[in-house]
Amino acid sequence: KQEVTQIPAALSVPEGENLVLNCSFTDSAIYNLQWFRQDPGKGLTSLLLIQSSQREQTSGRLNASLDKSSGRSTLYIAASQPGDSATYLCAVSSLTGGGNKLTFGTGTQLKVEL
Amino acid sequence: GAVVSQHPSWVICKSGTSVKIECRSLDFQATTMFWYRQFPKQSLMLMATSNEGSKATYEQGVEKDKFLINHASLTLSTLTVTSAHPEDSSFYICSAREGAGNQPQHFGDGTRLSIL
Repeated sequence: KQEVTQIPAALSVPEGENLVLNCSFTDSAIYNLQWFRQDPGKGLTSLLLIQSSQREQTSGRLNASLDKSSGRSTLYIAASQPGDSATYLCAVSSLTGGGNKLTFGTGTQLKVEL
Repeated sequence: GAVVSQHPSWVICKSGTSVKIECRSLDFQATTMFWYRQFPKQSLMLMATSNEGSKATYEQGVEKDKFLINHASLTLSTLTVTSAHPEDSSFYICSAREGAGNQPQHFGDGTRLSIL
């Protein structure tokens, strides 16, 4: 059974700081890994999708890496802004069940302070 | 592109009422749709997976007679919470995917259900 863990559970940083969010998963047989952002009471916004054959993806100030063999992914946020404050979720699409299951981590609650 | 619309966004109703939530893919054909449930300060838990024209596949512990899922077309899936009770109060989120398992899921904005 796939299990996804995110560290830290919560993080508070001053504006402008670079930061790293961590995600680990137990079963390396995955289709892809996604990073999402969730604002309070809202749905999910997809940030980055990394296919199992890829090592990293970049979008603006965000960079996500994937090390499938070790079961780890990191989300790097450069020059953080107060608008980045949200909960960040990683999710893996596992080969088990034909890729039909996304297993979510418990999230990292980020607060970027002025 | 890849927009998923979920309606309603918020509903409050009395215990015993049945509530229907709609999930629509606006600009793509969703061969597979998913329904998730999220309790406060917890992550998303998959409830069921549905393919167009087929019966939904429910996760262990999810009552299929309680949570009725219909995926009648490639752009619409509905979740009906039958005879809802206060313990059914939660945040329900749908997602839709076009094509195979390596394609991304696109999420709706969620529905907050409160049962009095």
